[in-house]
Amino acid sequence: NAGVTQTPKFQVLKTGQSMTLQCAQDMNHNSMYWYRQDPGMGLRLIYYSASEGTTDKGEVPNGYNVSRLNKREFSLRLESAAPSQTSVYFCASNRDRGLYPSDTQYFGPGTRLTVL
Amino acid sequence: DQQVKQNSPSLSVQEGRISILNCDYTNSMFDYFLWYKKYPAEGPTFLISISSIKDKNEDGRFTVFLNKSAKHLSLHIVPSQPGDSAVYFCAASVTGNQFYFGTGTSLTVIP
Repeated sequence: NAGVTQTPKFQVLKTGQSMTLQCAQDMNHNSMYWYRQDPGMGLRLIYYSASEGTTDKGEVPNGYNVSRLNKREFSLRLESAAPSQTSVYFCASNRDRGLYPSDTQYFGPGTRLTVL
Repeated sequence: DQQVKQNSPSLSVQEGRISILNCDYTNSMFDYFLWYKKYPAEGPTFLISISSIKDKNEDGRFTVFLNKSAKHLSLHIVPSQPGDSAVYFCAASVTGNQFYFGTGTSLTVIP
């Protein structure tokens, strides 16, 4: 039982390049989330998927797209990376946002992204 | 605007003493609060939570206190151990909605 896994762990991009961050969970969770962590800002929600087939914007969605590929996988795409997107990105999941709205979230280890 | 604030970026405590980490929030509608612990190069892990209908919740060495009138949350760790050295995030939500996280407090427990 690996929990929440993220790939890659580290990535360096040039401005304007695109990339996809991958996230998978093996806990049969319905809800999945993408956060970014910046110094002095805490963790901020980018997008979430309450259940398979649905996605919604969080606090800071601009510049990102997401895909809930299936129940296990939730990817985050940067179409044209900008230096302001330099951050640590965390994926998280929990049982079901609708049925258990206060359920704790399980986090992956993070992806450290630098955009030059 | 930051709805959840942790005004102390760092805290150092001697092993065996009490660690007190503080968190303030601005949204009076928040009704569920959590603390997460984060080690370097790892994701945050859940530590303890409290609902707004309570003012205290204990789990072993960890106790969370909620003062709704002051919009203030605190985490007490007694006794502190070197393995407690980590970054601690508080988070708050209105039930059914997203969690808002504080900026974190880095705790160092000195042996």
